[in-house]
Amino acid sequence: KAGVTQTPRYLIKTRGQQVTLSCSPISGHRSVSWYQQTPGQGLQFLFEYFSETQRNKGNFPGRFSGRQFSNSRSEMNVSTLELGDSALYLCASSSDSNYGYTFGSGTRLTVV
Amino acid sequence: DQQVKQNSPSLSVQEGRISILNCDYTNSMFDYFLWYKKYPAEGPTFLISISSIKDKNEDGRFTVFLNKSAKHLSLHIVPSQPGDSAVYFCAATGNTGKLIFGQGTTLQVKP
Repeated sequence: KAGVTQTPRYLIKTRGQQVTLSCSPISGHRSVSWYQQTPGQGLQFLFEYFSETQRNKGNFPGRFSGRQFSNSRSEMNVSTLELGDSALYLCASSSDSNYGYTFGSGTRLTVV
Repeated sequence: DQQVKQNSPSLSVQEGRISILNCDYTNSMFDYFLWYKKYPAEGPTFLISISSIKDKNEDGRFTVFLNKSAKHLSLHIVPSQPGDSAVYFCAATGNTGKLIFGQGTTLQVKP
């Protein structure tokens, strides 16, 4: 079966702009989580959606938001981009939020 | 507040030897622990996990040990192979449903 698909793979944006990233989970998975990976910081949890509801949230400013659609696809939005937002953004889906996370290949965002 | 810590940013071992990657956690509510492996330009892939009711789980060349009293887990790879060279992340979760990752350890296995 198809894995977790993230689009786009690469993105370059200017400071102050906003960006939307997309994640299509594995068919049947209802939990989608988003992570930010930066050098030296590991994977920082952003938020988790389950059945269109945000179930968990990490310690990121309100500029970072997300949503999940009825087909479990999820989008992540970052507004007023800052240089420090440059990172690899990873999405993971699971049929159960505690176990069996499968990650996508990520979206590499560069803010200039 | 880093609840899951991997204090060694990198590790280099010779092919055929044992690789030991370590991870410490602070939250006593964590009850399930996972190891992920990540190659550049790819997402992390699940490697092995362990529940807090166990102290050891083995899968082929990979064994994870959990010491709850010390809040410490380790991943042993025996024998190490050059294809094992990657970044290894440990992760922990509890009743909140959030998967919390460490900073990662870059393993290099030399031929």
